[in-house]
Amino acid sequence: QVQLVQSGAEVKKPGASVKVSCKTSGYTFTNNAIHWVRQAPGQRLEWMGWINAGRGNTKYSQRFQDRVTITRDTSARSAYMELRSLRSEDTAVYYCARDVAPAGLSHFDYWGQGTLVTVSS
Amino acid sequence: QLVLTQSPSASASLGASVKLTCTLTSGHSGYAIAWHQQQPEKCPRYLVKVNSDGTHNKGDGIPDRFSGSSSGAERYLAISSLQSEDEADYYCQTWDTGIVFGGGTKLTVL
Repeated sequence: QVQLVQSGAEVKKPGASVKVSCKTSGYTFTNNAIHWVRQAPGQRLEWMGWINAGRGNTKYSQRFQDRVTITRDTSARSAYMELRSLRSEDTAVYYCARDVAPAGLSHFDYWGQGTLVTVSS
Repeated sequence: QLVLTQSPSASASLGASVKLTCTLTSGHSGYAIAWHQQQPEKCPRYLVKVNSDGTHNKGDGIPDRFSGSSSGAERYLAISSLQSEDEADYYCQTWDTGIVFGGGTKLTVL
């Protein structure tokens, strides 16, 4: 069965960077894009960007474009999201999600379990 | 600009039915959307994709109690025979040059 398993919770200081991983199984990794979405406490879901797992090209939300990098390692069947210059407002649960489409934007059909990132001095 | 609008809350009794609404902005009535359920303290789960013609495709293992439909710029999620575990936040999602989420509807099962 399709699974997306994320790395564990992180605590970071303001100004630092965090890198969250998303390891997939149960399907051909390069056939589907992977998105990253975050949810601040009590807030709505917020899209950050996606990566075409086959070709490696990416697209980012304008809101995060200057601070986020999404990468993938096909041999590890994993995608990664790095967020830089962290501030307290970045405290949130970060999710990876699988897109039904490989090379375009569509809907998500599987989600990772989420990774809590806490930014605190 | 593509925006999805959802009512912040809804409620219905155990065993009853409820219909949640997601409204697309004017000019985007031809877009499909997807519904996701997020139970308390859990990750979201994909429920169903709803096309503009009302056809829908459910996710793996989603019970028949969940269904999607469409009318104009509105996309619906209907849940019948409500159970306590249906108490959750429900988000609609669509896509254009990026991914857009609605604000979510908190469903309370009375």
